[in-house]
This record gives sequence, structure tokens and C-alpha cells, in this order.
Amino acid sequence: DGGITQSPKYLFRKEGQNVTLSCEQNLNHDAMYWYRQDPGQGLRLIYYSQIVNDFQKGDIAEGYSVSREKKESFPLTVTSAQKNPTAFYLCASSTGISGNQPQHFGDGTRLSIL
Amino acid sequence: KNEVEQSPQNLTAQEGEFITINCSYSVGISALHWLQQHPGGGIVSLFMLSSGKKKHGRLIATINIQEKHSSLHITASHPRDSAVYICAARSPDSNYQLIWGAGTKLIIKP
Repeated sequence: DGGITQSPKYLFRKEGQNVTLSCEQNLNHDAMYWYRQDPGQGLRLIYYSQIVNDFQKGDIAEGYSVSREKKESFPLTVTSAQKNPTAFYLCASSTGISGNQPQHFGDGTRLSIL
Repeated sequence: KNEVEQSPQNLTAQEGEFITINCSYSVGISALHWLQQHPGGGIVSLFMLSSGKKKHGRLIATINIQEKHSSLHITASHPRDSAVYICAARSPDSNYQLIWGAGTKLIIKP
């Protein structure tokens, strides 16, 4: 079945450490997204990519980095510059970013600081 | 003021009750999405609409473009409907990115 796979489900980071969250999709979607979710708040867009080898900053890109070397993969690195990384991270994909295509979501990765 | 506001924030009801969750937005939109987030965190898209009404099983979504308001209704609610329901507006003014509501946490008691 087609879908989006995020791994790991839970991740712990030490102070000063970079960590990378994985997101893979087999839906043949061009667009991919990373969101951050904090309790009681709406999802906030970190980065998005419309096509391979291209990505754009979202509303809260500081302290994060991404790459899009393959259509299927859009990993997110939470760098040590992100001072408050504890959150739930969701990856999504869609056939395109304009128009009215729905986004398909992974099950998320919960990141905590040790 | 958030561009997309949902009400209520929390809703507890008895099994069988008719549920209404509201979403108001202040931006121009090309589409309004309703999504469901399960307790484990995964999100599923329920509806995408730009006018009128859509129905899927016991779920009904309506939108009034003039009033900038959408509602999600659940008929004959069941404990398995317990989840967070999120509305998100797709706005051409924000490069078609989704503007997210904070969600409504629904608990249906047996």
C-alpha cells in the first residue's frame, strides 16, 4: 500500500547534538512538507519542497535543515541551533502545492531532549 | 488573532449525540480542509471543500464562503470518533500553504 513512513517514532537528543528525522513516501508525490506540532497549537510549517533538489523555508525554519535528493525522501535535520526542539514532527506529501490536492501524512516522530 | 480559529477547543459528549465543530477563517481561501488526528498522532484527511457540503458516512462538512465559516458534523457519534479534528485553510495569499487551526479535541463517552 502507498503511504508515508516516518522514522523513528520516538527520538531523544542530547544538548548540542544534531539529529535527523526520516521521511519516505511511495505515493509518487512531487511535494513534501515538514511540520512541527506543539501542544495546543496548530501545525507550523518548517520546510517544504515542490520538486527534487528544491526546497523552501516555511514559517519556522531556523535551526532546521532539509535535503531533497530523491523524490521519495525528505529528511529533516534538527540542528543544535534549534533551542527548543522538543515537539511532535509530522511529514506530509501531496501531488502539488497549488490547487486543492490533499496532503497525506506520516505517523509522526516525537523528539525529546535528554 | 489567528487566521483560522476553531471552536470549541474541547468537546465531550455521550455516544449517539450529534456533534458540531466550527471553523472560522479571516483570509481568502481556495479550499478548506478537515483532518482527523488520532491519539497516536497520525493525521488523516477527511474532507477538502471550497463550496457547499460534502458527506462521507456519518461525517458531514459544510462551508459558507460569504460568512467565512465551515462546520464539521458527526451524526450518531461513537467512542471511536474520539480524536482531534483540525481545519486548515489553503490560501493563495500564502503561496497556497495551509493555515492551520489549533484543533478541537473530541471525546465520546460510551
